[in-house]
Amino acid sequence: GAVVSQHPSWVICKSGTSVKIECRSLDFQATTMFWYRQFPKQSLMLMATSNEGSKATYEQGVEKDKFLINHASLTLSTLTVTSAHPEDSSFYICSARGGTQGSYNEQFFGPGTRLTVL
Amino acid sequence: QQQVKQSPQSLIVQKGGISIINCAYENTAFDYFPWYQQFPGKGPALLIAIRPDVSEKKEGRFTISFNKSAKQFSLHIMDSQPGDSATYFCAAKAAGNKLTFGGGTRVLVKP
Repeated sequence: GAVVSQHPSWVICKSGTSVKIECRSLDFQATTMFWYRQFPKQSLMLMATSNEGSKATYEQGVEKDKFLINHASLTLSTLTVTSAHPEDSSFYICSARGGTQGSYNEQFFGPGTRLTVL
Repeated sequence: QQQVKQSPQSLIVQKGGISIINCAYENTAFDYFPWYQQFPGKGPALLIAIRPDVSEKKEGRFTISFNKSAKQFSLHIMDSQPGDSATYFCAAKAAGNKLTFGGGTRVLVKP
């Protein structure tokens, strides 16, 4: 149990276009979802936290108008990178927490989405 | 400000050896300390976690040692195998708050 999926697993887009990444909790209800960004050989950087039905809370330095997060249901959150540029190329990872899966503290991570902006 | 400092950044160990990764934290409100394993191109997976009311937790070949007074915790990988070659992240969390990750340690187990 406690499986989190992401779609797509990788995406290549042209500069200036928008890209949507989906994060789904497959077998539990995620009251909270997190979006991370990871550059090569670096740690995970939290971008934002979203609770179902509420606006996302963004970390300092993360542009909320550029990285749109929607958590419309207890099993789905989406991250839309608007007007993507090459510097947005990165590995985006979501995680989910909630329900009776694991301890209350435990977060379950998705497999990540590799975004390349040309 | 990095609140969880992880060392070393990388280590090489022979098959069958012990891998030791250390983490230090500053925030005394942290009450949950997980370790994650990440393979290239994959998301991190929870390996083992500990709360500050115990000094050690063992799961198979993986052991967390926790020193509350020193605000340090470490991961020991016993009998390291080539399949353990990955990046390991320590993390810490206070109740109701977000995970704070260490910088990561790339472990290479040589056959």
